[in-house]
Amino acid sequence: EPEVTQTPSHQVTQMGQEVILRCVPISNHLYFYWYRQILGQKVEFLVSFYNNEISEKSEIFDDQFSVERPDGSNFTLKIRSTKLEDSAMYFCASSKRSSLGPGWPYNQPQHFGDGTRLSIL
Amino acid sequence: DAKTTQPPSMDCAEGRAANLPCNHSTISGNEYVYWYRQIHSQGPQYIIHGLKNNETNEMASLIITEDRKSSTLILPHATLRDTAVYYCIALSQGGSEKLVFGKGTKLTVNP
Repeated sequence: EPEVTQTPSHQVTQMGQEVILRCVPISNHLYFYWYRQILGQKVEFLVSFYNNEISEKSEIFDDQFSVERPDGSNFTLKIRSTKLEDSAMYFCASSKRSSLGPGWPYNQPQHFGDGTRLSIL
Repeated sequence: DAKTTQPPSMDCAEGRAANLPCNHSTISGNEYVYWYRQIHSQGPQYIIHGLKNNETNEMASLIITEDRKSSTLILPHATLRDTAVYYCIALSQGGSEKLVFGKGTKLTVNP
């Protein structure tokens, strides 16, 4: 069964450094998402992306964050200047367009990768 | 999207059915009920979703009450590998795409 893959599984970075987390969504999916989970807390939505644009973002997703689909297979999350509080598991997800037609991604389930553990020192 | 309420924890014996309840009394007519689970620190795993009819797949069954104010996820023959946190999420058509995770139900399957 196709799956979302994320690399690296664990990233350790010094505070203030830039970090890029990488994701390969399922190949026929067109909607992409990032979520994060701070240790012991809930999974939180960061951003959704469709047709090379951000379609929705949360308050967490400030100017330090950016997303990109640099080619036909990868989807990346960049944090420009990391802070200690950015330490978390980061999950990528993807979903496909509904067979009902355009503009209906929400009745197609999002499938998640196993995450990247980001540790900021 | 409607708020959902789940018990914080449940236990189930291996081989028995696990019935996980979810209340969503403010759910609107265009909101789907989604179930995900998270095993340890892995990524959330999609289980099943439905609008108003009961649904079944290879993993589970979803029973939605006629008034749609509550639902039950049924794992027919729970195994130790089903020990996880289970999340019930309401998600609307025509609205936000984001999944809003609560604290879920920690299901422990005991041998």
